Amino acid sequence: QVQLVESGGGLVKPGGSLRLSCAASGFTFSDYFMTWIRQAPGKGLEWVSYISHSSTYTNYADSVKGRFAISRDNAKNSLYLQMNCLRAEDTGVYYCARAYHSDSSEAGYWGQGTLVTVSS
Amino acid sequence: EIVLTQSPGTLSLSPGERATLSCRASQSVYSNYLAWYQQKPGQAPRLLIYGASSRATGIPAKFSGSGSGTDFTLTISRLESEDFAVYYCQQYGSPPLTFGGGTKVEIK
Repeated sequence: QVQLVESGGGLVKPGGSLRLSCAASGFTFSDYFMTWIRQAPGKGLEWVSYISHSSTYTNYADSVKGRFAISRDNAKNSLYLQMNCLRAEDTGVYYCARAYHSDSSEAGYWGQGTLVTVSS
Repeated sequence: EIVLTQSPGTLSLSPGERATLSCRASQSVYSNYLAWYQQKPGQAPRLLIYGASSRATGIPAKFSGSGSGTDFTLTISRLESEDFAVYYCQQYGSPPLTFGGGTKVEIK
């Protein structure tokens, strides 16, 4: 079955950096778009970024453009999110998600999330 | 960026009642690439509907999606205790992808 396990969250000071990872299993990783979605405490969902099967296409929310970078390693079945210049408003649970279909980008399968806290 | 507005913010209903949730887009959603998700406290969201009206695997028939263009609806035919949760719509046809603010379905 599809499994997505995020890691790398934690407490970081404003202006700092963090790299999130998502380990995927149970499917052919290179066949699917992958996405990061976040949720601030007590708030709704916010789409952050996605990456296409072979990394040809990436896209970002305006709120993270220029600070975050998504990447993937298909040989390692892994997705990454490099987060730089972190701000308090970046605090939240970060979910990794796999597209439901191989040719689309809706979030069909989700990990359990990793908590990022940006605070001094 | 396409802005999705969900209404109402909170829906108070009794078990057995029908729930109708709305999602309105600021511009037409490409190919009706509109999804609905359910989230319960402390859990990751779960995909219910994709392509505006197709149920994801394992989603019971009491959940149905409809609509096109800018107006979409999620209907839960008869609410059961496990259906009380927060529901989000998302458009995935035009980057940046966007979510609506959510509708909380609570027990009356």
